[in-house]
Amino acid sequence: ETGVTQTPRHLVMGMTNKKSLKCEQHLGHNAMYWYKQSAKKPLELMFVYNFKEQTENNSVPSRFSPECPNSSHLFLHLHTLQPEDSALYLCASSLRGDNEQFFGPGTRLTVL
Amino acid sequence: AQTVTQSQPEMSVQEAETVTLSCTYDTSESDYYLFWYKQPPSRQMILVIRQEAYKQQNATENRFSVNFQKAAKSFSLKISDSQLGDAAMYFCAYTYYGNNRLAFGKGNQVVVIP
Repeated sequence: ETGVTQTPRHLVMGMTNKKSLKCEQHLGHNAMYWYKQSAKKPLELMFVYNFKEQTENNSVPSRFSPECPNSSHLFLHLHTLQPEDSALYLCASSLRGDNEQFFGPGTRLTVL
Repeated sequence: AQTVTQSQPEMSVQEAETVTLSCTYDTSESDYYLFWYKQPPSRQMILVIRQEAYKQQNATENRFSVNFQKAAKSFSLKISDSQLGDAAMYFCAYTYYGNNRLAFGKGNQVVVIP
C-alpha cells in the first residue's frame, strides 16, 4: 500500500449503529486530519492530530469520536448518527510544518 | 477567519482548449500559501499546484499555471491544452505560515468535451 488508504470505501448504517472508519498513511507523516465533504459545500475540517495529539476539534458533535493510536493510523468512531451526517469522509496527512496535505480516497457514508 | 470563494460551479472546455478557474480569498496574514487540488470522479484528491505568497513569480506545473494577484487576493488556475483526464472537481485552498489547517472553496466542476 502506498499513500493514504481508507477503509471501508462505502458504509451504510442505521442511526443506532456503531461503526468505525479507518485511515492509514504510508508516507512517514506526523499530522493527520479528518474532513467531511458534503455536496455543494466546502470541505469541513473536523479534527487535526499532530504527533498523535489532537490539536483541533472543529466543533464536531460528540457522536463522532476520533482516535489516533500512532502517527500512521487514524480512526473515526461513529455512533447514533443522523441522516444529515451522510457525506464523504476524507482523511489526509502531512508533515508537521509542511502545508501540503495528501488525501485518501474517502469513505462514502450513508446514514439511514 | 479566512475564507475562500470559488464562483462558476461548472465550467466546460473543449479538448485541447484552455480554461481558467477563479478563486478569491480573504486574509489578514502576510505569509501564506495557496493551493489548487483536483478531485477526479474516483475521489482521491491530489495537489495540482501551490503558490507561496512571498513569491512574485506565478507557479507553473506543465499545463497548469496560476495567476496570483496578491493585492486583489485572487488566485486563478489556468489549464492549457485540456485533456479528458482533466475532468474533475477543482478546489482552491489556503493556509498561512505555521498553520496546518487548510480552508477550501466550494469547488469548480470542469467538464472536458471531446
